[in-house]
Amino acid sequence: QVRLVESGGALVQPGRSLRLSCAASGFTFDSYAMYWVRQAPGKGLEWVATISNDGTNIYHSVSVKGRFTISRDNSRNTLYLQMNSLRTADTAMYYCARAPWDDYGSYCDFWGQGTLVAVSS
Amino acid sequence: QPVLTQPPSASASLGASVTLTCALSSGYTNYKVDWYQQRPGMGPRFVMRVGTGGIVGSKGDGIPDRFSVWGSGLTRLLTIKNIQEEDEAVYYCGADHGTVSNFVAVFGGGTKLTVL
Repeated sequence: QVRLVESGGALVQPGRSLRLSCAASGFTFDSYAMYWVRQAPGKGLEWVATISNDGTNIYHSVSVKGRFTISRDNSRNTLYLQMNSLRTADTAMYYCARAPWDDYGSYCDFWGQGTLVAVSS
Repeated sequence: QPVLTQPPSASASLGASVTLTCALSSGYTNYKVDWYQQRPGMGPRFVMRVGTGGIVGSKGDGIPDRFSVWGSGLTRLLTIKNIQEEDEAVYYCGADHGTVSNFVAVFGGGTKLTVL
C-alpha cells in the first residue's frame, strides 16, 4: 500500500536551516509529482512546493520562494524540502503528498502523517 | 490564480445530509476542485475531484458512496448523505493553476463539519 513517512522536523531558532525528508513506498515513486503542504497550528492547509516526477519542474509558493527548495532522489524514493532562513511564521506541520497529474491538473491522492517544524528563539 | 472560498462551519444531525460549498473566484468557471477530509489529529485524506457536471476521475481510497459531488458555474459542492460520526472533520477544497513554467496550488480555508 502507498506509504509516505515524513521526518526531520524539529525545534529550531529563527534564521537557521532544516531539511525535511519524505520516504515513499508502495508505489512507483518516479511516476508521480510530489507536493509539500504545511499547516500552522489551528490553521488551514497552505501549499508550499511541488516537483514533477523527474525533478525537472519545481515550483514554490511566494511565501517560501528563495528560502525553501524542494528536491527528490528517485533512486532512494525520497522527497526533500531544504528550509533555509527559517522564520517564526514557518512554524507548522509539514505534509508530503503524492500527486497524480492528468489533463485536469494535479491533486494529492495520498498524504503522510506530517512532521512538525517549530521556529522559536 | 484562483481563490477558493468556503464557509467556516457547518453542522448536521446523525443520519441527515449536508452539502458543503467551495466557491471559485471569478474567471475560473471551468476549473476542477479537489476535496479533502481532515479528521482531528490526522493528516488530510483525498475525497474526490469535481468539475462542472460532477466527479472527475475516481474517489479516494475508502471513501464511501455516501459522498458525492457536483459542480456548476463557480460553485463546487460536496454532499454527504446519512452522516456518520466519523464524518466529523474539516473539509478543504483545493485547486491548481498554471503552466509548466508557472504553477501554483491553492486551498480554501476549510469548513469544519460538526455532527450533532
